[in-house]
Amino acid sequence: EAGVTQSPTHLIKTRGQQATLRCSPISGHTSVYWYQQALGLGLQFLLWYDEGEERNRGNFPPRFSGRQFPNYSSELNVNALELEDSALYLCASSSRTPRAFFGQGTRLTVV
Amino acid sequence: DQQVKQNSPSLSVQEGRISILNCDYTNSMFDYFLWYKKYPAEGPTFLISISSIKDKNEDGRFTVFLNKSAKHLSLHIVPSQPGDSAVYFCAASDLPGGTSYGKLTFGQGTILTVHP
Repeated sequence: EAGVTQSPTHLIKTRGQQATLRCSPISGHTSVYWYQQALGLGLQFLLWYDEGEERNRGNFPPRFSGRQFPNYSSELNVNALELEDSALYLCASSSRTPRAFFGQGTRLTVV
Repeated sequence: DQQVKQNSPSLSVQEGRISILNCDYTNSMFDYFLWYKKYPAEGPTFLISISSIKDKNEDGRFTVFLNKSAKHLSLHIVPSQPGDSAVYFCAASDLPGGTSYGKLTFGQGTILTVHP
């Protein structure tokens, strides 16, 4: 069974541009979560999607947004990129239990 | 406001000995606790969890202890192996219906190094 897959693995963008990160959850999982791990910091919760709707949002500005598609895959968009957005972005999925399964992450670098 | 804290940034242990990683939390709404292990350039992998109705859960070499009154949990690894060297994250989940339900709140992580 395939795990959580994220693409791309690495992404380099210029300040002010937009970044789009993608995530495919484990088959059968309806919930998708996005976390940010900046250098030297723990994982910070960004967004939770379940059944196509945004259920919870972390303490991040509105330029961080996303969506969940009918097949439960998800997209994270970061607009007007800033240097401090450089981080590892992790996607996780679950079947509505606290135990979440993580992908390998997308390393976003803003130059 | 750091609701989940791992006060030890790093821990060094000899192979075969016990590793004890600690975690404190402040939010009494947290109902379920998990430990994840993370290698560089990989996503976290689930290790072990515990519900607030229990005070201990074992899985092979890993045991998690929960002290609700002290809002403290710990992960014991016995015996420690060099392959256990990684970053360990403590995480907590809110009660269903709680304002934070559906997300995990993570600690800052502890870097465990097990020396051969």
